[in-house]
Amino acid sequence: DAGITQSPRHKVTETGTPVTLRCHQTENHRYMYWYRQDPGHGLRLIHYSYGVKDTDKGEVSDGYSVSRSKTEDFLLTLESATSSQTSVYFCAISESRQDLNTEAFFGQGTRLTVV
Amino acid sequence: AQSVSQHNHHVILSEAASLELGCNYSYGGTVNLFWYVQYPGQHLQLLLKYFSGDPLVKGIKGFEAEFIKSKFSFNLRKPSVQWSDTAEYFCAVKAWEYGNKLVFGAGTILRVKS
Repeated sequence: DAGITQSPRHKVTETGTPVTLRCHQTENHRYMYWYRQDPGHGLRLIHYSYGVKDTDKGEVSDGYSVSRSKTEDFLLTLESATSSQTSVYFCAISESRQDLNTEAFFGQGTRLTVV
Repeated sequence: AQSVSQHNHHVILSEAASLELGCNYSYGGTVNLFWYVQYPGQHLQLLLKYFSGDPLVKGIKGFEAEFIKSKFSFNLRKPSVQWSDTAEYFCAVKAWEYGNKLVFGAGTILRVKS
């Protein structure tokens, strides 16, 4: 398995509190992605990063922010959690350059419940 | 905007039946195409991928997919399914022109009856 670690794996938080999820990789891949998975919606892209300090929005970015200060870490922050953000969150990594083009490798997921 | 469409949300088959799951994407240019599988309670695993070359791609567990550029399609097939193929299947597309965003379809839940 690719070296991807998500933390925490499970979290219950209250509405209105800030929450940060961490994705850590040991593969030195350039691209990192955050998705949320909800029944009937598949995986929807929240934000992604194409390098240190380089990030862009996905299709469901409202209410989320990200930061990537090091190649190996990609943080997802819910500034003020809402019940609609209850979901399973997956981090993924991949590489795309002339000498190496890979599929995405996924972390184990974080189950977040906002009560 | 990029989009990926999977035609069936739920499919029920008997063991030994043939499987075809449809996937269409919305944009031209150079694309990388993927099918992932998610077994209950697990994370996504790659079934197969297409980057270039032969448009008929073979993956793990007897799955294959065909890239038809003119139809913007990448359909997944298996000649004879097994009970252990019960899972959710996701098509995904990545394109250089869109910054290598990896976009997924909504998924197809396959249930194989023994």
